Amino acid sequence: AQSVTQPDIHITVSEGASLELRCNYSYGATPYLFWYVQSPGQGLQLLLKYFSGDTLVQGIKGFEAEFKRSQSSFNLRKPSVHWSDAAEYFCAVVPRDDKIIFGKGTRLHILP
Amino acid sequence: DAGVIQSPRHEVTEMGQEVTLRCKPISGHNSLFWYRQTMMRGLELLIYFNNNVPIDDSGMPEDRFSAKMPNASFSTLKIQPSEPRDSAVYFCASSLGGEGVEKLFFGSGTQLSVL
Repeated sequence: AQSVTQPDIHITVSEGASLELRCNYSYGATPYLFWYVQSPGQGLQLLLKYFSGDTLVQGIKGFEAEFKRSQSSFNLRKPSVHWSDAAEYFCAVVPRDDKIIFGKGTRLHILP
Repeated sequence: DAGVIQSPRHEVTEMGQEVTLRCKPISGHNSLFWYRQTMMRGLELLIYFNNNVPIDDSGMPEDRFSAKMPNASFSTLKIQPSEPRDSAVYFCASSLGGEGVEKLFFGSGTQLSVL
């Protein structure tokens, strides 16, 4: 069955430190891949997406993600986090011609 | 818990017809969101409610779209009249509002096709 796994429910990093949020998917072909952020009191905001082409994708707010076909992964990274990055992050995949499937989310905590 | 329940799962209608999508949030959740998914734009927030009150409807595309939440356990998204460009998957999500970040729980979506 198609699925999206975000293995880390919570992650805590210090402000200024680097960040990597993991996402793995299970699907026969390469789906469309997305990362969304949900900030306090707000709905989801699209950070970045991958359809095809360059496997390193740049997004908003200084985030990037790398698609690795061999690992079925689409990990989100940021070289230096800010306190305002504290939020819930969702990885999502859209199998071709099908509905979006969300991971369960990773909550990011930032230490001052 | 049954999770967020949306109906119908699929809706096929003709241009000009009224379409009503329904959502039952998770019991106890006080925030409810309506999203539209298209391939090019991904997931777009249409409107969200907190304690049955619409808080932000800036994502509602046109006056043809309206949403209501008459009570804590039910919400509708109506399109009247519908147009082919409204074809998309519509998701409802709910969360337990409060301070800090609230985890979203999504329904399985309604696939809308307007012919």
